[in-house]
Amino acid sequence: KQEVTQIPAALSVPEGENLVLNCSFTDSAIYNLQWFRQDPGKGLTSLLLIQSSQREQTSGRLNASLDKSSGRSTLYIAASQPGDSATYLCAVSWDFNKFYFGSGTKLNVKP
Amino acid sequence: NAGVTQTPKFRVLKTGQSMTLLCAQDMNHEYMYWYRQDPGMGLRLIHYSVGEGTTAKGEVPDGYNVSRLKKQNFLLGLESAAPSQTSVYFCASRPGDADVETQYFGPGTRLLVL
Repeated sequence: KQEVTQIPAALSVPEGENLVLNCSFTDSAIYNLQWFRQDPGKGLTSLLLIQSSQREQTSGRLNASLDKSSGRSTLYIAASQPGDSATYLCAVSWDFNKFYFGSGTKLNVKP
Repeated sequence: NAGVTQTPKFRVLKTGQSMTLLCAQDMNHEYMYWYRQDPGMGLRLIHYSVGEGTTAKGEVPDGYNVSRLKKQNFLLGLESAAPSQTSVYFCASRPGDADVETQYFGPGTRLLVL
């Protein structure tokens, strides 16, 4: 069965700290992997998308890496800020049509 | 350019009642999706569409029906609502172009079934 797992479910860090969020998936034959941000009561906003042929993608203070052989992706956030507080979700596609989501990591960055 | 919109924003139903959730996108996207999100869980795919007139089942399709009569609209129907369908429902769309695969999400519809 194709599954996406995110651990931990919640994370609290002081402002300024660098942090890593984890995503693991069964079956390494993925098409692509996306990281999303969700603010309370809101929809999802795409942060980064990594194609299966890529190893990482960067946008500002965010860096996402992909290791298909181990079934893992990490989202690195540099110099965290209170405005980064949100839930971060990982979504994996094993074909072109459908996406499977992890349950998310709720991040709290304390001022 | 409104992006993806969902109607209604919030609804309370009694068990056995029916309703339709509307998703509309103005980006000329081919693909559209309906997800549900329950506390402590990620999004689970209910149904999706790869183009006007097409629909397909996702992970949790039971108790739901969909229609895509117009490219810009994707409707989700509950024929006989059950308390287990209490959830937040999200619609998403994406172009369908292999080079541009980001999904764009609506703000969600909160549904409470009593």
